[in-house]
Formats: sequence, structure tokens, C-alpha cells
Amino acid sequence: DVKVTQSSRYLVKRTGEKVFLECVQDMDHENMFWYRQDPGLGLRLIYFSYDVKMKEKGDIPEGYSVSREKKERFSLILESASTNQTSMYLCASKWGGYQETQYFGPGTRLLVL
Amino acid sequence: TQLLEQSPQFLSIQEGENLTVYCNSSSVFSSLQWYRQEPGEGPVLLVTVVTGGEVKKLKRLTFQFGDARKDSSLHITAAQPGDTGLYLCAGEDNTDKLIFGTGTRLQVFP
Repeated sequence: DVKVTQSSRYLVKRTGEKVFLECVQDMDHENMFWYRQDPGLGLRLIYFSYDVKMKEKGDIPEGYSVSREKKERFSLILESASTNQTSMYLCASKWGGYQETQYFGPGTRLLVL
Repeated sequence: TQLLEQSPQFLSIQEGENLTVYCNSSSVFSSLQWYRQEPGEGPVLLVTVVTGGEVKKLKRLTFQFGDARKDSSLHITAAQPGDTGLYLCAGEDNTDKLIFGTGTRLQVFP
């Protein structure tokens, strides 16, 4: 079974703090993704990566950065957290190519005070 | 930006009822995926439809891809409390990324 794990299920941070969200997958998938999920907006793509050390901006990259130093690990970084970044963050991975299933982690619910 | 609109946004029904969820876009997708998400978990893939007009069945769930590959529907027959969850459609664009719909939250009461 594919397993995608995220470092924390719940996080509470203060405005201005630097926040790291970690995601690890165990299936040697090439592609990894970070989404945020907000009620009524579905999932919105923040950043994605097709390979180690590669990163591409998604639809809402402002205020975020990512790191992929190893194939199995994809980190999302909030350089200076703001209250409008309070959200559910979901990581996913998949094989490269079309019609492949995206496998999601359980999510990290982040509250920025 | 491509958009996928789902309707209805919320659905609350009794066990045994039938329901249909719609997923509409003005864009053409190479494939359309449906996911279900339960509280505290990430979305899990239910089905992928690829060909215009394609119909796939998964027990009591029937998925259809529109002829023009711009829209899709999910029909559940005789809903059960175990069907409760958030249903998300997602269209695959020409760079194999997914564009997710706005979601339909289904509650089935016993």
C-alpha cells in the first residue's frame, strides 16, 4: 500500500513565525504536490515537483516555498506565517504520466494566531 | 484559470434515497477523477473516467463523463450512512496536474 505521511496533524503558530510542513512518501513516486483546502474552494495547488530539486509554482504560491532534496520528501515552508494561511494542508504523490492516481496524506490543520 | 463547479454544495438525505452530484466546467479535460474524503483524512480516489461518454460503475455508485469531456456526474443508488463524506471531482489538464472541484458534502442519515 502507498503511504504518504505528514509530519503533524495539527499545528498552532503565531503570525510571523517560520513554519515547516513535511511530507514523506514510500512509493518512489516522481511527482509530489502541496495543496491547501478551504471550505467551498476545494483543493488549490500551491507547489508541485516532478523530480528531486525541481519545483514548479501552482495556482497560489505567494507566501510559500518548497524544498525537495530527496525523492521521497517534499517540504512546504511558510516563511512568515500570516492569519490568512490558516487552512488544511494536504500533500500528495503519484507516478509521472497521465491518469495516474494521486495518493494523499492525512493533512495538517494549521492555525495561525 | 480552469474552474470546476460542483453542485450541490451540500446534500443531506435519508438512507435509501438516490442522489446525483454534478461537476461542470467550460474546459476540456484529458480525464476526470472522483475522490471521497472522510473527516481527518486525505481524499481517496474512487474512479477515473477517460473517454467522452464513458460510464463506470462501482457497486452503488455510477460515474459518467460527458461526451465533450467537460462535465461529469456521480449517481449513488440507495445511499447508506457509510457514503457520508466530501466528494471531489478533479479534471486532469494537459500538464497532468489536477484541477479540483469545489466539493459536495454528503450526509446520509440512518
